[in-house]
Parts: sequence; structure tokens; C-alpha cells
Amino acid sequence: SAVISQKPSRDICQRGTSLTIQCQVDSQVTMMFWYRQQPGQSLTLIATANQGSEATYESGFVIDKFPISRPNLTFSTLTVSNMSPEDSSIYLCSVRTGRMNTEAFFGQGTRLTVV
Amino acid sequence: ILNVEQSPQSLHVQEGDSTNFTCSFPSSNFYALHWYRWETAKSPEALFVMTLNGDEKKKGRISATLNTKEGYSYLYIKGSQPEDSATYLCAFRYGNNRLAFGKGNQVVVIP
Repeated sequence: SAVISQKPSRDICQRGTSLTIQCQVDSQVTMMFWYRQQPGQSLTLIATANQGSEATYESGFVIDKFPISRPNLTFSTLTVSNMSPEDSSIYLCSVRTGRMNTEAFFGQGTRLTVV
Repeated sequence: ILNVEQSPQSLHVQEGDSTNFTCSFPSSNFYALHWYRWETAKSPEALFVMTLNGDEKKKGRISATLNTKEGYSYLYIKGSQPEDSATYLCAFRYGNNRLAFGKGNQVVVIP
């Protein structure tokens, strides 16, 4: 299993600013993922955070808007840049242990409101 | 585009009643189907990971079934209690260990 500490838990930000979300895992994990859930929508994968290399982004998400760092196997950050009200969402980090068909573990989420 | 549909989107259940809801997913290239329970302000918590057609899994009063040939899974809650109030997410595992989620089934148990 894995325990993830995610912060901040919530924030209200002005449009045009940036917010960095942090996730700290209590063990080394191979795979870390960043999701967002916009109001009324499903959890959608933003990117896979790779240790020592650039993140792999899903269709519709770009590095300039969502830069990700993964300096080691226990920590990652997601920045939401140049925010607009459409970025108001819950952002979640998640890890997998790398073994096949095991469950994912999640942080507590960051509830972001952009005004 | 991976389409994972959950229905109904929300439901109110009287305490003590049983309920069930559905997740439908692509029936091709199946690896695994996950169910998570997500309470407000908490982390989503894994309930089941199901891989085999015909799988049935149980955790306390909650159980799930899987039909990979027709692409659906049912989640059942027996004798609902207020602490069962949460959003239940299903997720379809696809290439490179990634998950595609449905919108969730939001359950409110009325005391």
C-alpha cells in the first residue's frame, strides 16, 4: 500500500496566477499520475509523472499549462499555470505500485477555485 | 476515446434498503475493472480490482460482479447505512497501466 500526503487541500486563486500542488508518498513508487475532476465530469488523467524525465501528457493537456516535476520516487508537483475559471476542479495525485492489477492509491485531493 | 458509463448518476436510498448500480466499459482489450469509494474531502479508496469474466467479489455489505464479454459490472450495497453515503467510481484499466474513470454513482443514504 501507499500513503500520499497532498497539499494544499483547497485554494481560491485569482485568474492569471499559478498554483503548485505537491504530493509526497511514504514509499518509493514507480508510477505517479495526476488527475483532475471538473464539476460534473469524470476523473480525467492529465499526465504520468516520470522520475528523471519529462512527464507524459494525455491528449488535450500540455506541459506549458501543467508543468510537472518528479525529482525522486517519492515526490511530485503539478503546477496549474495562468489559471482561468475553467481550471476550477479537484486535482488528485495517484500512485501505482507497478505490479499488475493492483489498486491505485490517491492523495486527498486539492479543490481549486479560480475567481 | 474510452467510454466508461455509470448509472444512475445519483441515488437516494433509505437506510436498511439494498441498492445497486452499473458500470459499462469497452469489452475489447480488457485488463481490469476497478471500483473505488470516494467520500467528500477524503482520498478515493479501493474496493475491488476485478480481472476475470464472471468474477464476484465481496467486502462486508458491498459486492461486485463482472461481465467482460458484454462490458459491464454491477456494484451492490446490501442493507445501506448512512456511512455508505459516498461517490462510487469505476475505472477501466487500459494500456500502460492507466485508468479511465466513469463519472461516478453518488449515493446518499437517508436515515
